[in-house]
Amino acid sequence: GQSLEQPSEVTAVEGAIVQINCTYQTSGFYGLSWYQQHDGGAPTFLSYNGLDGLEETGRFSSFLSRSDSYGYLLLQELQMKDSASYFCAVRPPLTGNTPLVFGKGTRLSVIA
Amino acid sequence: EPEVTQTPSHQVTQMGQEVILRCVPISNHLYFYWYRQILGQKVEFLVSFYNNEISEKSEIFDDQFSVERPDGSNFTLKIRSTKLEDSAMYFCASKMGASGNEQFFGPGTRLTVL
Repeated sequence: GQSLEQPSEVTAVEGAIVQINCTYQTSGFYGLSWYQQHDGGAPTFLSYNGLDGLEETGRFSSFLSRSDSYGYLLLQELQMKDSASYFCAVRPPLTGNTPLVFGKGTRLSVIA
Repeated sequence: EPEVTQTPSHQVTQMGQEVILRCVPISNHLYFYWYRQILGQKVEFLVSFYNNEISEKSEIFDDQFSVERPDGSNFTLKIRSTKLEDSAMYFCASKMGASGNEQFFGPGTRLTVL
């Protein structure tokens, strides 16, 4: 089976940098994704790491270390609109239709 | 920009009734999913669908659940006899191809079972 651990809540100041960690235990692993979900909204894709290292997409970066079964999402220059829940999700071994396994989510609150 | 759509946005039903949740995936996508999210909890996988058949299903997806792609555009989730614990937000998602990493989620249907 798969399990993912991430902090339940994080609070950060507007303009600051915040890192949301995710550790996983899986019976197989293909990649780690990050999704953002605003209250009442749908999860939206932020980033994906299939290989070790850092992926950067604008203000958001994501990192993966397969050997440590660990990844993180880094949000820079925080804005109030970044207040949302952030989920890490594991993609199990590759078959075309493998579903995502989500963590419990980290609720980020950005304060002025 | 193409998007996944779902109807209805909110469905209220009595326990024991059947409900059908509808989704229209992005038109050139080949892989389809249903997930659910109980209020305040994580997103949970229900079922995946490809080439007109179920690829994988979770323990949640028992005999009360079924999926169908009745035509070239719709993808439906049926719950035969709803229970109180089926109350949740149900998300449909689609993905273009096998190697794709991004699943596109619809806005969800909030199901309330009374």
